Amino acid sequence: LAKTTQPISMDSYEGQEVNITCSHNNIATNDYITWYQQFPSQGPRFIIQGYKTKVTNEVASLFIPADRKSSTLSLPRVSLSDTAVYYCLVGDIENNYGQNFVFGPGTRLSVLP
Amino acid sequence: DTGVSQDPRHKITKRGQNVTFRCDPISEHNRLYWYRQTLGQGPEFLTYFQNEAQLEKSRLLSDRFSAERPKGSFSTLEIQRTEQGDSAMYLCASSFQGVNSPLHFGNGTRLTVT
Repeated sequence: LAKTTQPISMDSYEGQEVNITCSHNNIATNDYITWYQQFPSQGPRFIIQGYKTKVTNEVASLFIPADRKSSTLSLPRVSLSDTAVYYCLVGDIENNYGQNFVFGPGTRLSVLP
Repeated sequence: DTGVSQDPRHKITKRGQNVTFRCDPISEHNRLYWYRQTLGQGPEFLTYFQNEAQLEKSRLLSDRFSAERPKGSFSTLEIQRTEQGDSAMYLCASSFQGVNSPLHFGNGTRLTVT
């Protein structure tokens, strides 16, 4: 079970780039890294997923170093609406998606005007 | 894609009563999950179905909890003899099996046990 560690909270200002780092020292060979965003009174929403190097989509980038023991979610030019909790998950999404896919307490990002 | 739908959005019940929640997943998804989330915490896994088969159950899922997914479509989560500690948001998610198939969550059912 690959446990993750993230900062509990972060503050940023509108227009800045925000980087949230997640540590997962015991990540396994078959594990993928997935990030979710959650607003109050809503279910988590998928942001991005990767296995190694860099992945980019329309909302974020995910940087994964060669040893895969950490990953960094990068949100370019955040706005007030990016204020949310961000979860990093690590798990074997192909074969074992239940108990080994654990949400931690996440990182509470506050974007200030 | 109409998303994952959960009903009801809110439920208030008295201790000792039974409650049932419903989840309608994205129709093409064969995997369905139930999670529980309390204030300030991340979602906690409860159980998981692949089609109609319940393949995993967390130790959090006491014998007062039961989940079904008849015909591999919608799912129900029942809590019998509710306790105040059952108060939480109950989230349902669905996905395809395999890589590049993230969880799609509904907006949950918030249960308050008085």
